[in-house]
Amino acid sequence: GESVGLHLPTLSVQEGDNSIINCAYSNSASDYFIWYKQESGKGPQFIIDIRSNMDKRQGQRVTVLLNKTVKHLSLQIAATQPGDSAVYFCAERQGAQKLVFGQGTRLTINP
Amino acid sequence: EPEVTQTPSHQVTQMGQEVILRCVPISNHLYFYWYRQILGQKVEFLVSFYNNEISEKSEIFDDQFSVERPDGSNFTLKIRSTKLEDSAMYFCASSGLTNEKLFFGSGTQLSVL
Repeated sequence: GESVGLHLPTLSVQEGDNSIINCAYSNSASDYFIWYKQESGKGPQFIIDIRSNMDKRQGQRVTVLLNKTVKHLSLQIAATQPGDSAVYFCAERQGAQKLVFGQGTRLTINP
Repeated sequence: EPEVTQTPSHQVTQMGQEVILRCVPISNHLYFYWYRQILGQKVEFLVSFYNNEISEKSEIFDDQFSVERPDGSNFTLKIRSTKLEDSAMYFCASSGLTNEKLFFGSGTQLSVL
């Protein structure tokens, strides 16, 4: 079946730098995407979402970009902080209510 | 800030036993979900629940699984006869009118021995 996946399993950046986490999806009919952050021992925490009729959406220090032509989703985190260290998942809505998660990227912020 | 709460945080059970995982979704939410995450793997959809009935379920959610909203606040997942491969972190989630922005609880770590 079609699935959502991530390009890189791990990413290390220096504190204060910007980070970009990528995600590829294959279902061109998907209309809604979410980025979640998961810290160790905790549930996924909502970061930002985007609908397919948009190509960019900004939040506080985060930006999600959607490129429907190449079915690519990215999460940009500006001025990374130690608290940004976590696993980041993209998720795609398939069907009416099911979210399909990618494998996740572990982001490590180096001091 | 409202949050989804789950109990217990850890559950250890013997293979073949029944377990009930409990969740209190955010109070004004209408859609309820169970997901699971096997250690080191991605989060997987189990079931969605709306208007007091299952609206969608995955292949994982077989006859051994059931969900219930026994009152106005709780949402439970029951596994009738646990198997070793049911060991995972189980997350409850809820969402509001838009059926988007799922908010997850902290999970119940289920260990089947």
